Amino acid sequence: GDSVTQMEGPVTLSEEAFLTINCTYTATGYPSLFWYVQYPGEGLQLLLKATKADDKGSNKGFEATYRKETTSFHLEKGSVQVSDSAVYFCALSRTGTASKLTFGTGTRLQVTL
Amino acid sequence: GAVVSQHPSRVICKSGTSVKIECRSLDFQATTMFWYRQFPKQSLMLMATSNEGSKATYEQGVEKDKFLINHASLTLSTLTVTSAHPEDSSFYICSARDLGVPPLDTQYFGPGTRLTVL
Repeated sequence: GDSVTQMEGPVTLSEEAFLTINCTYTATGYPSLFWYVQYPGEGLQLLLKATKADDKGSNKGFEATYRKETTSFHLEKGSVQVSDSAVYFCALSRTGTASKLTFGTGTRLQVTL
Repeated sequence: GAVVSQHPSRVICKSGTSVKIECRSLDFQATTMFWYRQFPKQSLMLMATSNEGSKATYEQGVEKDKFLINHASLTLSTLTVTSAHPEDSSFYICSARDLGVPPLDTQYFGPGTRLTVL
């Protein structure tokens, strides 16, 4: 079955540091890939997405590239801020399967001054 | 943007009682809503897919009679945990798909409901 593997957290960084959160997936065919962010006390929000190989999703300074050869979708940001502290979920969805999402376990990011 | 609300945000109940959780799409119509369960430090697990006007589709291993789902309108779905027990304590999250957005798996999530069964 489909699965998503994320690096375990928590990840603690100083403000302005470079961020990478690794995500790899297992799925047949060509799934769509997503990063969701969950701020404290709030629901998950779509951060970025990519629907085909070599696509780069980007939003709010975050970016991730769909790498089919390595089945990866790593999240990166060049300079994190305290306000980026949240839990980040990598997810996939099979095209045409009524939008069922398969999530990774989530990675908590804590950014300090 | 599209907003999904859940009520209540937090509920504590005694073992054996039933609890109803509401999920509403506030500014859009949602033909499909999803119910997830999240355990501490674990991922969201899809419990069921709820389609307006029809029976919900449950994931393997989810008890239909335990977790009753009703999607009576395009803006409201409810999850009722029947005869709740301490092992049902969890964080329940709903999401809704916007009719107006292309079918590229854009789901809008509610803030979740924390259920504690004593």
